[in-house]
Amino acid sequence: GENVEQHPSTLSVQEGDSAVIKCTYSDSASNYFPWYKQELGKRPQLIIDIRSNVGEKKDQRIAVTLNKTAKHFSLHITETQPEDSAVYFCAAYGNNRLAFGKGNQVVVIP
Amino acid sequence: DARVTQTPRHKVTEMGQEVTMRCQPILGHNTVFWYRQTMMQGLELLAYFRNRAPLDDSGMPKDRFSAEMPDATLATLKIQPSEPRDSAVYFCASVRDSQNSPLHFGNGTRLTVT
Repeated sequence: GENVEQHPSTLSVQEGDSAVIKCTYSDSASNYFPWYKQELGKRPQLIIDIRSNVGEKKDQRIAVTLNKTAKHFSLHITETQPEDSAVYFCAAYGNNRLAFGKGNQVVVIP
Repeated sequence: DARVTQTPRHKVTEMGQEVTMRCQPILGHNTVFWYRQTMMQGLELLAYFRNRAPLDDSGMPKDRFSAEMPDATLATLKIQPSEPRDSAVYFCASVRDSQNSPLHFGNGTRLTVT
């Protein structure tokens, strides 16, 4: 089945700087890649997603890039703010299921 | 704003007791997932259903866990007997069509087994 890995596990950034989280996936047939944000004690919520026919997608301060050849995709958060502090999960859809990475803790330092 | 509803939000029980968690998917969503979240393992897929039929429960310990979907508005996850290592947050998620569609998560059931 699909295996998704995230790096780094914890990321600390100064407020206003950019944060980048990278994920790799194993199944070349995977075709849908969502990103979820989970605040402490809350449910994961979708923040952005990308499909395999697109290389990049942007929504205000967040963007996702996809490299199908290398089988990796990344989340970019620009002008980070304290409310961006959370755990971020990447996922890849393949083999009729959504496989999640283990998550990245992002800490934005005011 | 339609939401996946899970009950109970919190459950504390003693080892050996039966635990039942319930999930009401968003109306019209035909695929329902159960995930378990722990610090060590992250989000683990336990089981999922499409059109109420179980498609995969390979992530679930068969000897004590069971998942059912008695109708389109209710999915259940049972643990019998419960053990301390079952302590985790259990999330239900639903999607209209699992092909290239985002999952909508419920608020989870935080289970503590003492």
